[in-house]
Amino acid sequence: NAGVTQTPKFQVLKTGQSMTLQCAQDMNHEYMSWYRQDPGMGLRLIHYSVGAGITDQGEVPNGYNVSRSTTEDFPLRLLSAAPSQTSVYFCASSDEGQRYEQYFGPGTRLTVT
Amino acid sequence: LAKTTQPISMDSYEGQEVNITCSHNNIATNDYITWYQQFPSQGPRFIIQGYKTKVTNEVASLFIPADRKSSTLSLPRVSLSDTAVYYCLVGFYSSASKIIFGSGTRLSIRP
Repeated sequence: NAGVTQTPKFQVLKTGQSMTLQCAQDMNHEYMSWYRQDPGMGLRLIHYSVGAGITDQGEVPNGYNVSRSTTEDFPLRLLSAAPSQTSVYFCASSDEGQRYEQYFGPGTRLTVT
Repeated sequence: LAKTTQPISMDSYEGQEVNITCSHNNIATNDYITWYQQFPSQGPRFIIQGYKTKVTNEVASLFIPADRKSSTLSLPRVSLSDTAVYYCLVGFYSSASKIIFGSGTRLSIRP
């Protein structure tokens, strides 16, 4: 199993540009989530999904959209990038009966200039 | 969601036992306590989970007193490679929706 994969690993955007961060998992996990981590800080939940077709907002959803058309994929879209969105983004997934045992991807380091 | 409080940072030396305590005064009856470890430039990694008394695995032990208002993660004989941030989370493991991480405890191990 590849586990949780994220692409790209690094990305530089200009203010106002949009992009999609990709996340995929091959463990048939129902629960998936996106977090951002600013330097020296803890993780903050952006959006999460409890299954295909179902998404909801986390702590810091503004400026981001998600969709969950399949169990495997959970892309995160930045609508109009801002310097405040410079961060490391982590995607995670977990099994239905053990949601707190999340498996994290390697992260995407995003810089917005 | 139960709020958790952990020390911001801790220092220790190789070979010592390290105990990190987490306070969760408003833990609910169904809530479990989960700990994660995060190395620099990596995503967090689940290390242990428990409901009451003591849980032990190959990485750590988790001690939970009877009132469950706190918990202690114990790392035996730490090494430099245990330098990481440790997060304490509280919630119902099987139907949680928003899984929130706090700021964690930054553990530094010195030679």
